[in-house]
Amino acid sequence: SQTIHQWPATLVQPVGSPLSLECTVEGTSNPNLYWYRQAAGRGLQLLFYSVGIGQISSEVPQNLSASRPQDRQFILSSKKLLLSDSGFYLCAWDHQGWTEAFFGQGTRLTVV
Amino acid sequence: ILNVEQSPQSLHVQEGDSTNFTCSFPSSNFYALHWYRWETAKSPEALFVMTLNGDEKKKGRISATLNTKEGYSYLYIKGSQPEDSATYLCASSNYGGSQGNLIFGKGTKLSVKP
Repeated sequence: SQTIHQWPATLVQPVGSPLSLECTVEGTSNPNLYWYRQAAGRGLQLLFYSVGIGQISSEVPQNLSASRPQDRQFILSSKKLLLSDSGFYLCAWDHQGWTEAFFGQGTRLTVV
Repeated sequence: ILNVEQSPQSLHVQEGDSTNFTCSFPSSNFYALHWYRWETAKSPEALFVMTLNGDEKKKGRISATLNTKEGYSYLYIKGSQPEDSATYLCASSNYGGSQGNLIFGKGTKLSVKP
């Protein structure tokens, strides 16, 4: 069966510090991978998605970046965090949008 | 970028009430419409994935309909229970430059009072 792992679960980081969130998927191959963010009082915002290794599409210009070094690994990074980067980050995978998406447990990021 | 709109933003009902939410999405190049249930401190879980105009799906007391020509979907909950309290998200995927990626609405937050 397929599983998705996302870590860490919670993170408190100072402004200006770097960020690395990792997501891995097991039990499937060539998934679509997504990073979403929910800021306080807002809905799920698509940040990045990837249809294959090294293929990253960015939906929102910001100081975040994403990488997909392996088929089932998706990494969200920042060189310097801003206060506005605080939020709940969710990693997800699906197959081309016609199957249901499966979500990781999420990372609560607080930038202080 | 696609816009997926959900209404209402929040809803408070009494136990036993039936309720429904609306999701509107771009109908051009439509591919699939998803509904998810998102409980606090948990991950969103899929309720339905619908692709065909006129689709109706049901899971227990929850059902959904799809109109791809006019770009809307309804989610119905019959006889709401406190455990139905959650945020209900819809998401659309379309053909084109962003093929396959899911765009979510902001959700409808349902609170069911016992």
